[in-house]
Amino acid sequence: AQSVTQLGSHVSVSEGALVLLRCNYSSSVPPYLFWYVQYPNQGLQLLLKYTSAATLVKGINGFEAEFKKSETSFHLTKPSAHMSDAAEYFCAVTHAGGTSYGKLTFGQGTILTVHP
Amino acid sequence: DGGITQSPKYLFRKEGQNVTLSCEQNLNHDAMYWYRQDPGQGLRLIYYSQIVNDFQKGDIAEGYSVSREKKESFPLTVTSAQKNPTAFYLCASSRADRGNQPQHFGDGTRLSIL
Repeated sequence: AQSVTQLGSHVSVSEGALVLLRCNYSSSVPPYLFWYVQYPNQGLQLLLKYTSAATLVKGINGFEAEFKKSETSFHLTKPSAHMSDAAEYFCAVTHAGGTSYGKLTFGQGTILTVHP
Repeated sequence: DGGITQSPKYLFRKEGQNVTLSCEQNLNHDAMYWYRQDPGQGLRLIYYSQIVNDFQKGDIAEGYSVSREKKESFPLTVTSAQKNPTAFYLCASSRADRGNQPQHFGDGTRLSIL
């Protein structure tokens, strides 16, 4: 079984401040982890993914995430928030092998608000 | 450009009516997925298909049906048995490798009850 917990359904930051969105996962096998972003009334867009290569993963729009196995975490960060970063962010987990490979389990989502 | 097209963007259902949501992809992906999104609940998997003419139930398949007759198409029917169909429905596709391939999403269909 696999699961994802995103800590904080809403996060608010000032423009130019650090963005930190938290994600903890549970998986009985080595996981693959993803961060997606969703703008209102649109689908999800991939920000970055961890697939057992480098533990620090860089994505689009200046975002990055670090896989920490000991903490079962995959937190998303960006050094300096921009107004255009305001959106909902989803962490998701899956794993290789078995009959359920490729099935993503999503967290509840975190809505990021950026204040001028 | 390659991508996933969902139609219609907005859909209204009357009591006792079945409605079908369209999903077409030109990414040559083997796997396709349907999700339901409700506020504060993330995305929940309805059905998925890893190959033509085969599909599996996800976590919330009751009241829904699908078909996969062509690689490019994976329509979802919301039947009258689904008592709470109001939601945002998202279709996705991916390469069916070892699970490390990201899913690509369409722009969704918003279904409401008349």
